[in-house]
Amino acid sequence: EVQLVESGGGSVQPGGSLRLSCAASGFTFTNYWMHWVRQAPGKGPVWVSRVDSDGSGTSYADSVNGRFTISRDNAKNTVYLQMNSLRDEDTAVYYCTTVFEYWGQGALVTVSS
Amino acid sequence: QAGLTQPPSVSKGLRQTATLTCTGNNNNVGFQGAAWLQQHQGHPPKVLFDRNNNRPSEISERFSASRSGATAFLTITGLQPEDEADYYCSAWDSSLNGVVFGGGTKLIVL
Repeated sequence: EVQLVESGGGSVQPGGSLRLSCAASGFTFTNYWMHWVRQAPGKGPVWVSRVDSDGSGTSYADSVNGRFTISRDNAKNTVYLQMNSLRDEDTAVYYCTTVFEYWGQGALVTVSS
Repeated sequence: QAGLTQPPSVSKGLRQTATLTCTGNNNNVGFQGAAWLQQHQGHPPKVLFDRNNNRPSEISERFSASRSGATAFLTITGLQPEDEADYYCSAWDSSLNGVVFGGGTKLIVL
């Protein structure tokens, strides 16, 4: 059974930081690019970032470029999202996903003073 | 970042057929195809079809997907109450070097 389990969500003040983790199992992790996608309340999914299979290539949405960093540890089948300088508009459920095949349950990130 | 175009809502009767559309360009849907996602309120998205129109075994055969150029189609036959949900398309965009999503279609089963 494929599982993507996110952790590390929570509430933080504007300007703060959080690190999301995603543990993957049930599929060949090293065969897939991994992505983070977020969804604000009542809105559609929005792509945030991706890391390629061996971690050597990354890309980001303009809205998070320079503030967020994606990485992966293939020995641990885990992908991370380091989020710095958080803003109110970063409030959303963050999904760890391959996008076109598998999705996690999501982690809620709330940025509010 | 520009997204894919989907109609905001589609309404059909019970047991009828609904066809949802997703329009992109040659950098995304026309390049590598589109995946289709279903999302019920309060739940994460579920993949109905990958970009090659492959359906996971747990997805009903009432669902089918196709593509013509830069437009992707999702067809649902014999509509059931549980098909009422939000449907999103997604694709890799080679010019943006990222994933783009449609705004979603809310399917209403009357």
